[in-house]
Amino acid sequence: DAGVIQSPRHEVTEMGQEVTLRCKPISGHDYLFWYRQTMMRGLELLIYFNNNVPIDDSGMPEDRFSAKMPNASFSTLKIQPSEPRDSAVYFCASSPGRAYYGYTFGSGTRLTVV
Amino acid sequence: RKEVEQDPGPFNVPEGATVAFNCTYSNSASQSFFWYRQDCRKEPKLLMSVYSSGNEDGRFTAQLNRASQYISLLIRDSKLSDSATYLCVVLGSNTGKLIFGQGTTLQVKP
Repeated sequence: DAGVIQSPRHEVTEMGQEVTLRCKPISGHDYLFWYRQTMMRGLELLIYFNNNVPIDDSGMPEDRFSAKMPNASFSTLKIQPSEPRDSAVYFCASSPGRAYYGYTFGSGTRLTVV
Repeated sequence: RKEVEQDPGPFNVPEGATVAFNCTYSNSASQSFFWYRQDCRKEPKLLMSVYSSGNEDGRFTAQLNRASQYISLLIRDSKLSDSATYLCVVLGSNTGKLIFGQGTTLQVKP
């Protein structure tokens, strides 16, 4: 299995631009999670999906952030417009159940907004 | 109060030492518990689950005390390759969400 695949690995963009992060979960995993990691706040859950349906988006910081999961093998996290404080590492993770077995994380997207 | 709290360290220990990390969680209804390891500029990876009876995996021992809402990780005979950040993780009650602590940094010195 290829694991959870994220793209791009690195993204540098100017303030105000739209940013789209992509994730392909492990086949057969019906839970998908988007996390953000910063030095100050650690790992924060932004949103998670079960069977492609958003279940809890209470961690999404504001309306500039949106996430979709059009099918079982693809999800996007979009930031529009981006701001310097959005600079962080964004991780996607998937799980075959309600996390009793833990999550498998992708390699992350390191986002820098200048 | 944070849902999962850890001492951030860093813990600097010599090779061969035994080191223990502790973690407390606030929600007494939490169901499942894990330790993750994160290397510098890498993703978190599952190290081990934590069971009520305590469990061991080679040099690593995890323990859970539900009454005190406390989780521990013991590493024996530390290796240079154990240098990493160790994240205490709790599955929220009635949710599918894992809640991560801030992590404890371990640096094993030759």
